[in-house]
Amino acid sequence: GAGVSQSPSNKVTEKGKDVELRCDPISGHTALYWYRQRLGQGLEFLIYFQGNSAPDKSGLPSDRFSAERTGESVSTLTIQRTQQEDSAVYLCASSQLGVGTEAFFGQGTRLTVV
Amino acid sequence: GENVEQHPSTLSVQEGDSAVIKCTYSDSASNYFPWYKQELGKRPQLIIDIRSNVGEKKDQRIAVTLNKTAKHFSLHITETQPEDSAVYFCAASSPSGGSYIPTFGRGTSLIVHP
Repeated sequence: GAGVSQSPSNKVTEKGKDVELRCDPISGHTALYWYRQRLGQGLEFLIYFQGNSAPDKSGLPSDRFSAERTGESVSTLTIQRTQQEDSAVYLCASSQLGVGTEAFFGQGTRLTVV
Repeated sequence: GENVEQHPSTLSVQEGDSAVIKCTYSDSASNYFPWYKQELGKRPQLIIDIRSNVGEKKDQRIAVTLNKTAKHFSLHITETQPEDSAVYFCAASSPSGGSYIPTFGRGTSLIVHP
Protein backbone atom coordinates (compact mmCIF):
# COMPACT_ATOMS: atom_id res chain seq x y z
CA GLY A 1 0.00 0.00 0.00
CA ALA A 2 0.98 3.65 -0.26
CA GLY A 3 3.28 4.97 2.41
CA VAL A 4 4.06 8.53 3.42
CA SER A 5 5.03 10.52 0.35
CA GLN A 6 7.06 13.73 0.35
CA SER A 7 7.84 16.13 -2.45
CA PRO A 8 10.12 17.30 -3.78
CA SER A 9 12.77 14.75 -2.87
CA ASN A 10 15.49 17.34 -3.40
CA LYS A 11 15.34 21.12 -3.42
CA VAL A 12 18.14 23.58 -4.02
CA THR A 13 17.25 27.18 -3.36
CA GLU A 14 19.00 30.49 -3.08
CA LYS A 15 19.40 32.17 0.26
CA GLY A 16 16.47 34.45 0.94
CA LYS A 17 13.97 32.54 -1.17
CA ASP A 18 10.86 30.87 0.22
CA VAL A 19 10.35 27.11 -0.10
CA GLU A 20 7.35 24.87 0.35
CA LEU A 21 7.64 21.20 1.22
CA ARG A 22 4.77 18.77 0.86
CA CYS A 23 3.77 15.66 2.78
CA ASP A 24 1.06 13.16 1.86
CA PRO A 25 0.37 10.99 4.93
CA ILE A 26 -0.97 7.47 4.96
CA SER A 27 -4.73 7.52 4.51
CA GLY A 28 -6.54 7.38 7.83
CA HIS A 29 -3.60 8.59 9.88
CA THR A 30 -4.78 11.44 12.06
CA ALA A 31 -1.38 12.36 13.47
CA LEU A 32 1.29 14.01 11.33
CA TYR A 33 4.75 15.13 12.37
CA TRP A 34 7.53 17.16 10.79
CA TYR A 35 11.14 16.61 11.83
CA ARG A 36 14.39 18.16 10.66
CA GLN A 37 17.57 16.11 10.34
CA ARG A 38 20.81 17.94 9.80
CA LEU A 39 23.71 15.98 8.33
CA GLY A 40 24.84 13.32 10.78
CA GLN A 41 22.44 14.54 13.44
CA GLY A 42 19.30 13.27 15.14
CA LEU A 43 15.66 13.97 14.46
CA GLU A 44 14.65 17.43 15.61
CA PHE A 45 10.91 17.84 16.19
CA LEU A 46 9.31 20.78 14.38
CA ILE A 47 5.51 20.54 14.45
CA TYR A 48 2.71 18.07 15.17
CA PHE A 49 -0.83 17.88 13.81
CA GLN A 50 -3.54 15.75 15.37
CA GLY A 51 -6.83 15.67 13.55
CA ASN A 52 -8.59 19.01 13.78
CA SER A 53 -6.90 20.02 17.04
CA ALA A 54 -4.61 23.02 17.21
CA PRO A 55 -1.13 21.99 16.07
CA ASP A 56 1.77 21.75 18.48
CA LYS A 57 4.25 24.25 17.05
CA SER A 58 6.67 24.14 19.95
CA GLY A 59 9.55 22.82 17.83
CA LEU A 60 9.54 25.45 15.11
CA PRO A 61 12.95 27.16 15.31
CA SER A 62 11.85 30.62 14.17
CA ASP A 63 8.90 32.55 12.77
CA ARG A 64 10.26 31.88 9.28
CA PHE A 65 8.90 28.36 9.65
CA SER A 66 5.21 27.55 9.35
CA ALA A 67 3.10 24.55 8.46
CA GLU A 68 -0.46 23.82 7.53
CA ARG A 69 -2.67 20.80 7.35
CA THR A 70 -6.32 20.63 6.45
CA GLY A 71 -8.08 17.88 8.36
CA GLU A 72 -6.31 14.58 7.89
CA SER A 73 -4.91 15.36 4.47
CA VAL A 74 -1.80 16.84 2.97
CA SER A 75 0.53 19.03 5.00
CA THR A 76 2.87 21.72 3.75
CA LEU A 77 5.90 23.08 5.56
CA THR A 78 6.93 26.56 4.47
CA ILE A 79 10.27 28.16 5.15
CA GLN A 80 10.46 31.86 4.37
CA ARG A 81 13.64 33.79 3.61
CA THR A 82 15.74 30.62 3.72
CA GLN A 83 19.15 30.68 5.37
CA GLN A 84 22.08 28.35 4.90
CA GLU A 85 21.49 26.83 8.33
CA ASP A 86 18.11 25.63 7.06
CA SER A 87 19.92 23.10 4.89
CA ALA A 88 18.83 19.68 6.11
CA VAL A 89 16.58 16.74 5.35
CA TYR A 90 13.00 17.46 6.33
CA LEU A 91 11.16 14.31 7.32
CA CYS A 92 7.43 13.90 7.62
CA ALA A 93 5.79 11.04 9.51
CA SER A 94 2.22 9.99 10.15
CA SER A 95 0.54 7.63 12.57
CA GLN A 96 -2.81 6.61 13.87
CA LEU A 97 -3.98 8.54 16.88
CA GLY A 98 -2.63 7.73 20.30
CA VAL A 99 0.48 6.70 22.12
CA GLY A 100 1.91 3.37 21.20
CA THR A 101 1.31 3.57 17.49
CA GLU A 102 4.07 3.37 14.92
CA ALA A 103 5.10 6.55 13.14
CA PHE A 104 5.75 5.90 9.45
CA PHE A 105 8.27 8.18 7.83
CA GLY A 106 8.43 9.58 4.35
CA GLN A 107 11.66 9.52 2.38
CA GLY A 108 12.32 13.15 3.24
CA THR A 109 13.06 16.33 1.31
CA ARG A 110 16.73 17.24 1.12
CA LEU A 111 16.89 21.03 1.21
CA THR A 112 20.08 22.80 0.21
CA VAL A 113 20.30 26.57 0.59
CA VAL A 114 23.09 28.12 -1.45
CA GLY B 1 9.05 18.44 27.74
CA GLU B 2 10.65 15.08 27.21
CA ASN B 3 14.42 14.78 26.84
CA VAL B 4 16.04 11.61 25.49
CA GLU B 5 19.73 10.90 25.81
CA GLN B 6 21.31 8.14 23.72
CA HIS B 7 24.72 6.46 24.04
CA PRO B 8 27.07 5.70 22.46
CA SER B 9 27.06 7.97 19.43
CA THR B 10 29.20 5.47 17.53
CA LEU B 11 29.55 1.73 18.06
CA SER B 12 31.92 -0.47 16.14
CA VAL B 13 31.73 -4.27 16.50
CA GLN B 14 32.92 -7.38 14.75
CA GLU B 15 30.44 -9.53 12.90
CA GLY B 16 28.90 -12.01 15.32
CA ASP B 17 29.39 -9.82 18.38
CA SER B 18 26.54 -8.28 20.35
CA ALA B 19 25.71 -4.57 20.31
CA VAL B 20 23.97 -2.61 23.05
CA ILE B 21 22.59 0.92 22.73
CA LYS B 22 21.28 2.73 25.79
CA CYS B 23 18.80 5.56 26.20
CA THR B 24 17.45 7.54 29.13
CA TYR B 25 14.35 9.70 29.24
CA SER B 26 13.14 12.41 31.57
CA ASP B 27 9.32 12.38 31.47
CA SER B 28 7.94 9.71 33.81
CA ALA B 29 4.65 9.88 31.88
CA SER B 30 6.29 8.46 28.74
CA ASN B 31 4.82 5.07 28.01
CA TYR B 32 5.87 4.11 24.49
CA PHE B 33 9.45 3.54 23.38
CA PRO B 34 10.12 2.76 19.72
CA TRP B 35 13.47 2.08 18.08
CA TYR B 36 14.14 3.10 14.50
CA LYS B 37 16.83 2.01 12.07
CA GLN B 38 17.98 4.40 9.39
CA GLU B 39 20.21 3.09 6.64
CA LEU B 40 22.32 5.56 4.72
CA GLY B 41 20.15 7.82 2.58
CA LYS B 42 16.93 6.11 3.59
CA ARG B 43 14.00 6.86 5.83
CA PRO B 44 13.89 5.74 9.48
CA GLN B 45 11.98 2.50 9.92
CA LEU B 46 10.62 0.96 13.09
CA ILE B 47 12.44 -2.21 14.13
CA ILE B 48 11.00 -2.84 17.57
CA ASP B 49 9.00 -1.03 20.23
CA ILE B 50 8.03 -1.53 23.84
CA ARG B 51 5.23 -0.21 25.99
CA SER B 52 5.55 0.73 29.62
CA ASN B 53 3.64 -2.26 30.93
CA VAL B 54 6.34 -4.61 29.63
CA GLY B 55 9.92 -4.95 30.83
CA GLU B 56 11.41 -6.79 27.87
CA LYS B 57 10.52 -7.68 24.31
CA LYS B 58 12.36 -9.86 21.79
CA ASP B 59 12.16 -10.26 18.04
CA GLN B 60 14.69 -12.74 16.69
CA ARG B 61 18.13 -11.13 17.15
CA ILE B 62 16.76 -7.90 18.55
CA ALA B 63 15.59 -7.25 22.09
CA VAL B 64 14.61 -4.17 24.03
CA THR B 65 14.55 -3.77 27.80
CA LEU B 66 12.83 -1.07 29.81
CA ASN B 67 13.45 0.05 33.38
CA LYS B 68 10.70 2.51 34.26
CA THR B 69 12.05 3.21 37.73
CA ALA B 70 15.41 4.30 36.38
CA LYS B 71 13.86 5.75 33.22
CA HIS B 72 16.14 3.98 30.84
CA PHE B 73 15.75 1.51 28.01
CA SER B 74 18.19 -0.39 25.84
CA LEU B 75 18.41 -2.08 22.46
CA HIS B 76 20.30 -5.34 22.23
CA ILE B 77 21.36 -6.86 18.92
CA THR B 78 22.92 -10.33 19.04
CA GLU B 79 24.97 -12.09 16.37
CA THR B 80 25.44 -8.84 14.48
CA GLN B 81 25.71 -8.93 10.71
CA PRO B 82 27.12 -6.35 8.26
CA GLU B 83 23.57 -5.49 7.17
CA ASP B 84 22.88 -4.31 10.72
CA SER B 85 25.17 -1.36 10.00
CA ALA B 86 23.01 1.77 10.21
CA VAL B 87 22.05 4.61 12.51
CA TYR B 88 19.70 3.58 15.30
CA PHE B 89 17.40 6.04 17.05
CA CYS B 90 15.54 5.52 20.28
CA ALA B 91 12.46 7.56 21.10
CA ALA B 92 10.10 8.14 23.97
CA SER B 93 6.48 9.16 23.55
CA SER B 94 4.39 10.73 26.26
CA PRO B 95 0.69 11.59 26.29
CA SER B 96 1.46 14.74 28.26
CA GLY B 97 -0.67 17.65 27.18
CA GLY B 98 -2.70 15.48 24.85
CA SER B 99 0.06 15.31 22.27
CA TYR B 100 1.78 12.07 21.34
CA ILE B 101 5.05 13.33 19.96
CA PRO B 102 7.99 10.93 19.87
CA THR B 103 11.12 12.62 21.14
CA PHE B 104 14.20 11.07 19.56
CA GLY B 105 17.69 10.49 20.81
CA ARG B 106 20.60 11.78 18.77
CA GLY B 107 21.26 8.39 17.20
CA THR B 108 23.93 5.69 17.34
CA SER B 109 25.95 4.86 14.26
CA LEU B 110 26.49 1.09 14.38
CA ILE B 111 29.28 -0.30 12.23
CA VAL B 112 29.56 -4.08 11.91
CA HIS B 113 32.87 -5.19 10.48
CA PRO B 114 32.87 -8.42 8.46
